[in-house]
Amino acid sequence: EAQVTQNPRYLITVTGKKLTVTCSQNMNHEYMSWYRQDPGLGLRQIYYSMNVEVTDKGDVPEGYKVSRKEKRNFPLILESPSPNQTSLYFCASSLTREGSGQYFGPGTRLTVT
Amino acid sequence: GENVEQHPSTLSVQEGDSAVIKCTYSDSASNYFPWYKQELGKGPQLIIDIRSNVGEKKDQRIAVTLNKTAKHFSLHITETQPEDSAVYFCAAPMKSSGDKLTFGTGTRLAVRP
Repeated sequence: EAQVTQNPRYLITVTGKKLTVTCSQNMNHEYMSWYRQDPGLGLRQIYYSMNVEVTDKGDVPEGYKVSRKEKRNFPLILESPSPNQTSLYFCASSLTREGSGQYFGPGTRLTVT
Repeated sequence: GENVEQHPSTLSVQEGDSAVIKCTYSDSASNYFPWYKQELGKGPQLIIDIRSNVGEKKDQRIAVTLNKTAKHFSLHITETQPEDSAVYFCAAPMKSSGDKLTFGTGTRLAVRP
């Protein structure tokens, strides 16, 4: 089954404790991205990757890091989480950046206290 | 800046009636317009998309229309059913941002049985 998986689905952590949210897709997609979803603000892109070893900032990259060492994986790293990073996070992938629909993962709800 | 505006933010219809959600975009070079449905606790799912070389596309009870001159596109759901209740997002690529997909802020559709 074609899908995007994320782990963990739920995470409660404390300020400053480094964490990683994993993302994996099995569709051989080149393009992957991370979004955060906050009430009233819709989906905002954090980082994206056009292909292996090619990553770039989205609209709200501050406080986040990513890596793309393999085509299928695109982890999101929060080196020192803060309460304003409490949000619902989605990983997505698509064949290309332009003109193709994105497949979204199920989401990771992160709470930073 | 380049953006996508979506209206209404909430919509309540009686089962069996039609629902229409509208989006306007600012980048006249945008050429691909997807719609996503997000059910509670899940990630957005692509339900229909349209490219700039056509004015309308249908898939069973859902359709999307595009007016490139006016720079707006709409989602039409006919014969609504309770399972259509969800949040719907439109999106458009912003050429000025290297085709980054920009999302509307979402419409919460409630279908009353």
